[in-house]
Amino acid sequence: SQQGEEDPQALSIQEGENATMNCSYKTSINNLQWYRQNSGRGLVHLILIRSNEREKHSGRLRVTLDTSKKSSSLLITASRAADTASYFCATRFGSARQLTFGSGTQLTVLP
Amino acid sequence: GAGVSQSPSNKVTEKGKDVELRCDPISGHTALYWYRQRLGQGLEFLIYFQGNSAPDKSGLPSDRFSAERTGESVSTLTIQRTQQEDSAVYLCASSTTGTTLSNQPQHFGDGTRLSIL
Repeated sequence: SQQGEEDPQALSIQEGENATMNCSYKTSINNLQWYRQNSGRGLVHLILIRSNEREKHSGRLRVTLDTSKKSSSLLITASRAADTASYFCATRFGSARQLTFGSGTQLTVLP
Repeated sequence: GAGVSQSPSNKVTEKGKDVELRCDPISGHTALYWYRQRLGQGLEFLIYFQGNSAPDKSGLPSDRFSAERTGESVSTLTIQRTQQEDSAVYLCASSTTGTTLSNQPQHFGDGTRLSIL
């Protein structure tokens, strides 16, 4: 399977703590994207990192990409209860137009 | 509205019936995608439209599934003779093409939750 896989499947932390989620994939990619999904809602794009980038920041989000290990991590700093959601990594392989999504990490931030 | 709109938001139907799911993409977005999400799972790609054409139908799970898009706008996903395993959330997304399609984020609707009794 070329699907990205997130780790851990579920993560529960206290408000104010940092949350780290990891994604691994199997073949070369053009870029990797992270999305958030609140319960019962569609996915919201968070950040895109290109294959020639190693790190990218957006507000409280920090994404790293290690193409040699075929892995990426999403760090959310100073988490808030509103960050509670499922987080998915998504990649495109070769000439494919569609995104291939992992199975997601369910993050719960306790107030 | 400015976002991707899907209707209905919920659909309950009996096994064997046909269902039609609708997606209104963001105006001007030439690319449109359908995904299926089973409970607690990631997204499963179904079909992609560039304009009104569907160059990639490889994700459709069976010939009971079909989709069309008209006017480079609205898309309809039709499931004929529904089965219980079709129960899932069906998500639609759209994006611009830009200079490089692969670098464009996808904008998702809230999905249609389909339940087959």
